[in-house]
Amino acid sequence: GESVGLHLPTLSVQEGDNSIINCAYSNSASDYFIWYKQESGKGPQFIIDIRSNMDKRQGQRVTVLLNKTVKHLSLQIAATQPGDSAVYFCADTDVNAGGTSYGKLTFGQGTILTVHP
Amino acid sequence: DARVTQTPRHKVTEMGQEVTMRCQPILGHNTVFWYRQTMMQGLELLAYFRNRAPLDDSGMPKDRFSAEMPDATLATLKIQPSEPRDSAVYFCASGLEQGVDGYTFGSGTRLTVV
Repeated sequence: GESVGLHLPTLSVQEGDNSIINCAYSNSASDYFIWYKQESGKGPQFIIDIRSNMDKRQGQRVTVLLNKTVKHLSLQIAATQPGDSAVYFCADTDVNAGGTSYGKLTFGQGTILTVHP
Repeated sequence: DARVTQTPRHKVTEMGQEVTMRCQPILGHNTVFWYRQTMMQGLELLAYFRNRAPLDDSGMPKDRFSAEMPDATLATLKIQPSEPRDSAVYFCASGLEQGVDGYTFGSGTRLTVV
C-alpha cells in the first residue's frame, strides 16, 4: 500500500447497500495482498487475502479484486451493515525467489467506512 | 481463537523513562512484526522477525529503540529514553511466513509520553 498519511478517504453508505473500497499499491513485486478492518480501540483484523496468481477471491459477504496491471486492489462488501463501520486497510508484501516466504507487510493509508442505519 | 497478546494495554510515562512493551505471538507462528500507528503516519513497520532472527528493523530509530525475541513465545520492544513524539499505539502481529490467513494483530499498547 501507499502510506502517504494521513487524510483518510471516507465512504458513507446506507445499511443494505454494497460498499467498494479501493487501494493502490506501489510495489510491482508484491505477491500477497490482505485487507484488514480496524475498529476503534482495536488492532487490525484480517478480512480476506489474495495472491498475485488470482484476480478475484470471495469470502462471506466480501470479495477482493486484484488488478496487477494497474496495481489496484478493491474490497467489495455486500449488504453492508452498521457493524461494518470501521477503517479498512489494504496491505501487501512480496515473496522470496522460491515463492515460499513472504516479507514485510506495507499498509495503505486506510479508508473510513461509515454505515448509516 | 488463538490470539496475539500484548502488554501493557496502556502506558503513560514521563519523558526520559524506559518503556518496555511485550508481545506473545500465536503458538507456532514464526514471523513477528512490530508496527506503530499514529494519526499522521498511519501504520509504520518498525521491525520484524522470522524464527526469532531480526530481518528488518530499518523503520526503527536505532538510537532509542530496540526489539528482541528472547524466545519463540516473547517479543519485546524497548524505548530508552522515551520522548513525547513516541506517543502512539504499538501493535505486534504474528503469522506464518507462507502467509496463510494473513497475519494476526494484537490489541496494541497505547503509549503516552508526557
